Amino acid sequence: SQQGEEDPQALSIQEGENATMNCSYKTSINNLQWYRQNSGRGLVHLILIRSNEREKHSGRLRVTLDTSKKSSSLLITASRAADTASYFCATEPQGGSEKLVFGKGTKLTVNP
Amino acid sequence: DAGVIQSPRHEVTEMGQEVTLRCKPISGHNSLFWYRQTMMRGLELLIYFNNNVPIDDSGMPEDRFSAKMPNASFSTLKIQPSEPRDSAVYFCATTTAPDSPLHFGNGTRLTVT
Repeated sequence: SQQGEEDPQALSIQEGENATMNCSYKTSINNLQWYRQNSGRGLVHLILIRSNEREKHSGRLRVTLDTSKKSSSLLITASRAADTASYFCATEPQGGSEKLVFGKGTKLTVNP
Repeated sequence: DAGVIQSPRHEVTEMGQEVTLRCKPISGHNSLFWYRQTMMRGLELLIYFNNNVPIDDSGMPEDRFSAKMPNASFSTLKIQPSEPRDSAVYFCATTTAPDSPLHFGNGTRLTVT
């Protein structure tokens, strides 16, 4: 069963605009991770945020985590056509298990 | 390191046939995961190994599915007999430490007719 649920399911923007994707989850977590998947390829890790962190940056990416609301957001600033991909959040539940549970993803299209 | 290598990239088979998917993990990994991805159900964890030992196979859908990790350099996922509803992309992924990111292979696209 899905732990993380991304919102929106699909997002279409123009190059240069910012893209925000949200993720909600149900149980307590050790960490939350965001991944990117280009068509026909495997998932690529973008950023990991731990449960005691509130915000993290990596280049044009900014991730926030609100454990009280069990939600996270991924912001891509100054988007490029090459950012077109599906983006997934994944949660590692508390309790020592290494099982990462993925949401169904947000399909982002950046139009040139 | 070439990353996680999966083979074959594509597999088309007829219902009832045995299918074997292969994964060569990155060196230095400690855990290996098999996921299945479909449009309807998204990414589902099938089974994972830690130090070559199966830890959790609760996601394996039926007895038709089995997975092995005979050594640190190789894992297989077998479906016998295959059915059309097994059609999906199967991913192998590894981590090098707890609380660390997954490294995915490019997947095997399985079509069962």
